[in-house]
Amino acid sequence: GAVVSQHPSWVICKSGTSVKIECRSLDFQATTMFWYRQFPKQSLMLMATSNEGSKATYEQGVEKDKFLINHASLTLSTLTVTSAHPEDSSFYICSATLGALQYFGAGTRLSVL
Amino acid sequence: DQQVKQNSPSLSVQEGRISILNCDYTNSMFDYFLWYKKYPAEGPTFLISISSIKDKNEDGRFTVFLNKSAKHLSLHIVPSQPGDSAVYFCAASWEYGGSQGNLIFGKGTKLSVKP
Repeated sequence: GAVVSQHPSWVICKSGTSVKIECRSLDFQATTMFWYRQFPKQSLMLMATSNEGSKATYEQGVEKDKFLINHASLTLSTLTVTSAHPEDSSFYICSATLGALQYFGAGTRLSVL
Repeated sequence: DQQVKQNSPSLSVQEGRISILNCDYTNSMFDYFLWYKKYPAEGPTFLISISSIKDKNEDGRFTVFLNKSAKHLSLHIVPSQPGDSAVYFCAASWEYGGSQGNLIFGKGTKLSVKP
């Protein structure tokens, strides 16, 4: 089946630093990728929709200057958390669409100290 | 306002019995529904889906039923196995512009299957 690779799986960083998370579709091309965030014991919350070659569409309440999304190719989207703060600590998950289905990466656990 | 609701945060079932996970939705534009299984600290894994033109889809031990008039779908797992213990998310989407839109997720139901 379709495989989506997300890297890193876990990152710890100091407050004020930036962290980049990569999402790759390994065996298919994805014109659209999504970025989700999951708080403990809560559902997945869509942060933004990333379309190859164009600007990402952010959901209401998500700061686009803080969560920079780049979708430079049909197989790669990146999420950069800029000037991270402890409240940004969360589980971030990407997905890539293939037809009507979304395939998810394994997620990235971000801990900001 | 939640468009996809899973009103049971948890469900406990004995091994070998049937697990029934329920999901309700409010947006009549939804035309595609999916169930995902998720373990802690992992990404969701696709389980089964159903289009709004159908009322049932079956894949092995997993069957999804859709009642459009009631805006209700359910996932049946028969027989339940301890390895099925996980959080199950119901998700919905609709087609626009010729492609499927983003998924709207329910809050999930934690299934525990006891040996």
